[in-house]
Amino acid sequence: GQNIDQPTEMTATEGAIVQINCTYQTSGFNGLFWYQQHAGEAPTFLSYNVLDGLEEKGRFSSFLSRSKGYSYLLLKELQMKDSASYLCAGMDSNYQLIWGAGTKLIIKP
Amino acid sequence: GAVVSQHPSWVICKSGTSVKIECRSLDFQATTMFWYRQFPKQSLMLMATSNEGSKATYEQGVEKDKFLINHASLTLSTLTVTSAHPEDSSFYICSARDGTEYQPQHFGDGTRLSIL
Repeated sequence: GQNIDQPTEMTATEGAIVQINCTYQTSGFNGLFWYQQHAGEAPTFLSYNVLDGLEEKGRFSSFLSRSKGYSYLLLKELQMKDSASYLCAGMDSNYQLIWGAGTKLIIKP
Repeated sequence: GAVVSQHPSWVICKSGTSVKIECRSLDFQATTMFWYRQFPKQSLMLMATSNEGSKATYEQGVEKDKFLINHASLTLSTLTVTSAHPEDSSFYICSARDGTEYQPQHFGDGTRLSIL
């Protein structure tokens, strides 16, 4: 079966760095997406990785290892507004997105 | 760019009412739109994939006659929840894709549906 695993909840301190991990098992692979979702709002796109390596976008970076079926989202210089759920989604061979349950990130002052 | 508008944001209505939700891509043409449902503290659940000019593809367990989807143009898809009941209360979110499958889905703001 297809599956996306990510931690349910993480806590970090304002100004610090946090890494949210995601492991995936999909039928074929056409890339991995990360989305941010604030409570009560719709998800917003953060990143897409299809090749191995690190993609940096300002304070947020996303890493992919296809051989390990593993990705992480790295958030630097954490701000209170970064408190949200972070959704990992793998795209299978049929271009269907397989969604993880999301990681709720709590930022403490 | 890539703005998706969803309307209405909130709906509260009596059991048995049919509710229509609109999803529009404002600054791009969306050949494919998606409808999701999300219960509190749970992830997104894909209900159906909608392609312009053709019938929607529903996920297993989603009733086609209950959740009517129409994708009449490249910028508009609608979801109608027919004869809604309290168990249909949820957060419904649409998304649209600008281009190929490798492009990200852009989400509307969602519709919170409460059936009394």
